[in-house]
Amino acid sequence: EDQVTQSPEALRLQEGESSSLNCSYTVSGLRGLFWYRQDPGKGPEFLFTLYSAGEEKEKERLKATLTKKESFLHITAPKPEDSATYLCASSSNTGKLIFGQGTTLQVKP
Amino acid sequence: DADVTQTPRNRITKTGKRIMLECSQTKGHDRMYWYRQDPGLGLRLIYYSFDVKDINKGEISDGYSVSRQAQAKFSLSLESAIPNQTALYFCASGAQETQYFGPGTRLLVL
Repeated sequence: EDQVTQSPEALRLQEGESSSLNCSYTVSGLRGLFWYRQDPGKGPEFLFTLYSAGEEKEKERLKATLTKKESFLHITAPKPEDSATYLCASSSNTGKLIFGQGTTLQVKP
Repeated sequence: DADVTQTPRNRITKTGKRIMLECSQTKGHDRMYWYRQDPGLGLRLIYYSFDVKDINKGEISDGYSVSRQAQAKFSLSLESAIPNQTALYFCASGAQETQYFGPGTRLLVL
């Protein structure tokens, strides 16, 4: 069964303290690995799609990487406005996304 | 303007009532989806549609129905609402696997 697991569930950082969020996946025929940002009460906002092991993508202070079993979202020198829940999802040949439970990030000034 | 819009944004209803949530997208995407989100349970797929004539059940379709009125419109109905359908509902659209989400509808069933 396709499954996506994110860790940690919650992460508190001081402003400027870099860290990484983990997304482990087991998917038959991975078509893509997706990262979304979700603010409270709002819809998930698309960040990145990764398609193959070794691929990396960056946006401002965020960098996503992909291996054959995991993806990481690296946050460099975070700011309070980076506080949000980050969702990881995988897509198989069914065309559907399987979402993880998310990591809630809080960045304190 | 937002690419995916949902109406209403908030709704309070009573047990047994029929309600409809509407979704529209302006990107010309073929694929559209309905999810619900509950604390601790994450996003769960209710129904999805890969084109106007294609409707598929997701993992939690019981108690829900959908209609794809046009490429741009996908509505979700709760035939007889019950309290455990209280949740945040999201519509999404996409051309391939990447999905773009609407702002959500917060539904409370009393």
